[in-house]
Amino acid sequence: NAGVTQTPKFQVLKTGQSMTLQCAQDMNHEYMSWYRQDPGMGLRLIHYSVGAGITDQGEVPNGYNVSRSTTEDFPLRLLSAAPSQTSVYFCASMIQTSGTEQFFGPGTRLTVL
Amino acid sequence: GQQLNQSPQSMFIQEGEDVSMNCTSSSIFNTWLWYKQEPGEGPVLLIALYKAGELTSNGRLTAQFGITRKDSFLNISASIPSDVGIYFCAGQDSNYQLIWGAGTKLIIKP
Repeated sequence: NAGVTQTPKFQVLKTGQSMTLQCAQDMNHEYMSWYRQDPGMGLRLIHYSVGAGITDQGEVPNGYNVSRSTTEDFPLRLLSAAPSQTSVYFCASMIQTSGTEQFFGPGTRLTVL
Repeated sequence: GQQLNQSPQSMFIQEGEDVSMNCTSSSIFNTWLWYKQEPGEGPVLLIALYKAGELTSNGRLTAQFGITRKDSFLNISASIPSDVGIYFCAGQDSNYQLIWGAGTKLIIKP
């Protein structure tokens, strides 16, 4: 199993550009989520999904969209990038929503100029 | 949103020393989790605690779920160089969402 994979590893955008961060897992996990990590702060939940076709907002959803058309993939879209979205983004998956162990991808380091 | 207070923010220790860090919350959690993050990687689960008062070990790591369900601590005994990294606590609420502490950065002096 590859586990949770994320692409790209690094990305630089200009303000106003849009892009999609990819996330995939091959463990048939029901639950997937996106977090952002900023210096001196814990991980903050952006969006999550409890199964294909179901998504919901987390703590900091503004400026981001997600979709879950398959169990395996959970892309995160930035509609119009802003400097405040400069961060490290982590995708995670968990076998089921009521589980406890989330498996994290290696992260995407995004810089918005 | 909910906040977890994790302390200390960073620790400079000598190899072989014991380490202690803790998290407190104003809210009750059903589960406490401790993760470790190494540079360029995502966090990895170290220990999960499910019951108030529970004390669980994983090798040199020991963690406890506070009796009030509002706090947890993690101890690392006889630290070694590969223990360096950032340690995060996380509380799982009744909706199964994780609330994260800001992390404790462990640095081992040569």
